[in-house]
Amino acid sequence: AQKVTQAQTEISVVEKEDVTLDCVYETRDTTYYLFWYKQPPSGELVFLIRRNSFDEQNEISGRYSWNFQKSTSSFNFTITASQVVDSAVYFCALSEDYSGNTPLVFGKGTRLSVIA
Amino acid sequence: DAGVTQSPTHLIKTRGQHVTLRCSPISGHKSVSWYQQVLGQGPQFIFQYYEKEERGRGNFPDRFSARQFPNYSSELNVNALLLGDSALYLCASSVGLAGYNEQFFGPGTRLTVL
Repeated sequence: AQKVTQAQTEISVVEKEDVTLDCVYETRDTTYYLFWYKQPPSGELVFLIRRNSFDEQNEISGRYSWNFQKSTSSFNFTITASQVVDSAVYFCALSEDYSGNTPLVFGKGTRLSVIA
Repeated sequence: DAGVTQSPTHLIKTRGQHVTLRCSPISGHKSVSWYQQVLGQGPQFIFQYYEKEERGRGNFPDRFSARQFPNYSSELNVNALLLGDSALYLCASSVGLAGYNEQFFGPGTRLTVL
């Protein structure tokens, strides 16, 4: 069965610090998708990235970067030079069915607080 | 372009009552999924509808039901409400099936059961 573990419940950093959010997943499939979503205080989940299991290239988007390592079943998310606006709950999610019928399985989330 | 919209925003019900939550997907999106998010937890999948057919169901009792209309909007119904049904209910839409497409989430309906 698929499972996503976000071991860090809460993280607090000072503005401009770098921070890495950990995500470890479990799946028996060889083909799957991994996602990161951001949930600000407003409650609406915001899509950040999707990565399929065949693409292990790391990705950078502005201050955001993602490190996907199949060998350790991890898909970690780093925010460089954090800002107060980055304060939110971040969720890692997994979908293991390429047919699309299998829904996303979310981790419990990591609450990030960036202090000015 | 309008995003995913949900109504109502907040709802207070008492145990045993019935509730209907509504969702309008982004124009052109044919898949709607429903999630329940209990405080302090990640969203948990309830249903996915694609082209008006149920394409997935999570581990929820039969008190939960849903449907998708010809215009792709959707309703989530919960009967015989329990205190444990108190949660944020999120609707998400995607162009195709939710398993591998980017899903766009609405602001949610916060349900409180007293």
